[in-house]
Amino acid sequence: EPEVTQTPSHQVTQMGQEVILRCVPISNHLYFYWYRQILGQKVEFLVSFYNNEISEKSEIFDDQFSVERPDGSNFTLKIRSTKLEDSAMYFCASRDRVGNEKLFFGSGTQLSVL
Amino acid sequence: SQQGEEDPQALSIQEGENATMNCSYKTSINNLQWYRQNSGRGLVHLILIRSNEREKHSGRLRVTLDTSKKSSSLLITASRAADTASYFCALYSGAGSYQLTFGKGTKLSVIP
Repeated sequence: EPEVTQTPSHQVTQMGQEVILRCVPISNHLYFYWYRQILGQKVEFLVSFYNNEISEKSEIFDDQFSVERPDGSNFTLKIRSTKLEDSAMYFCASRDRVGNEKLFFGSGTQLSVL
Repeated sequence: SQQGEEDPQALSIQEGENATMNCSYKTSINNLQWYRQNSGRGLVHLILIRSNEREKHSGRLRVTLDTSKKSSSLLITASRAADTASYFCALYSGAGSYQLTFGKGTKLSVIP
């Protein structure tokens, strides 16, 4: 079965540094998402992306965050200046079309900000 | 925004027993989904039930939906140790919303 691929699986960075988390959604999917999960807490929506623009974002997704689909396959999440509280597991997800509400998730990138 | 609330928060059962988890929500929905998360892994879609459906089956999973009570339940029959995971209900935040939100989940432990 096709799957969403995320790299790297683990990322360690210093506070204040920029990080880019990468995702390759399933190839014929049209809607792309980033979620995060702080250890022991629930999965939180960050942003959705459709037709090359952000369709919705949460309060967490402030000016420090940005997303991009630089080519036909990759979908990236950039955190400009990381904070300690950005430490979390970040999940990318995608879905194929309107009318199919099922999301496919990647295995996540564990981000540790020191 | 709309989100479901699962209960119980944690459930521990013996292998072979049935596990039932519940989800309550507040506003009208078009559909409700259930996902599973193994520890430290991504979420896996289990089943989607639409607002005009009352019950749906998939293998050992049975999902019910009661829109009058704004609640859903997930039943796993004949549980196995491999069913140990967290289970979440998920709802779209509103009509036309792209935002799928998750509850806090039920942590299921199946003891061999």
